[in-house]
Amino acid sequence: EDQVTQSPEALRLQEGESSSLNCSYTVSGLRGLFWYRQDPGKGPEFLFTLYSAGEEKEKERLKATLTKKESFLHITAPKPEDSATYLCAVQIIQGAQKLVFGQGTRLTINP
Amino acid sequence: ETGVTQSPTHLIKTRGQQVTLRCSSQSGHNTVSWYQQALGQGPQFIFQYYREEENGRGNFPPRFSGLQFPNYSSELNVNALELDDSALYLCASSLGTPQETQYFGPGTRLLVL
Repeated sequence: EDQVTQSPEALRLQEGESSSLNCSYTVSGLRGLFWYRQDPGKGPEFLFTLYSAGEEKEKERLKATLTKKESFLHITAPKPEDSATYLCAVQIIQGAQKLVFGQGTRLTINP
Repeated sequence: ETGVTQSPTHLIKTRGQQVTLRCSSQSGHNTVSWYQQALGQGPQFIFQYYREEENGRGNFPPRFSGLQFPNYSSELNVNALELDDSALYLCASSLGTPQETQYFGPGTRLLVL
């Protein structure tokens, strides 16, 4: 069964304290791995897509990396405005191109 | 370029009622996917429409149904509402080609009493 697991479930950091979020997956026929940011009560906002092991993408204080079994979202010197839930999803093709999501990591950055 | 929009933003229904949620896809996108997100969970795939045809479905009962219109906007209909249907319903649009990014709307918050 296709499965995505994110850890930790929640993470609280001080402003400027760097850390990493993990996304591990077991899927057949991975087409892409996606990271989204979701603010409370809002829809997910697209951050990155990774397609192959070894690939890296960066945007401001965020960097996403991909191996054959997991992805990391590294956050460097975070600010309070980086507080959000970060969702990882893998795209699989079963007729539809569907996204299978993890449960998310709730990140809080304290000033 | 306008993004994905959804209506209404919030909705309260009672058990047994029916509800229709609406989604307008991003300009140029021909594929719409619907997801259900329970509180504290990741979104769960309901189904996807490509050029007005359903081309895939998740583990949701037949009382969840949908439509896609010629302008690629879409509706999600839920009959015989149950308390567990209370969730954030998300619509995402994409170009429909493999590996394309799905862009999400703001969601409709449904509460079933």
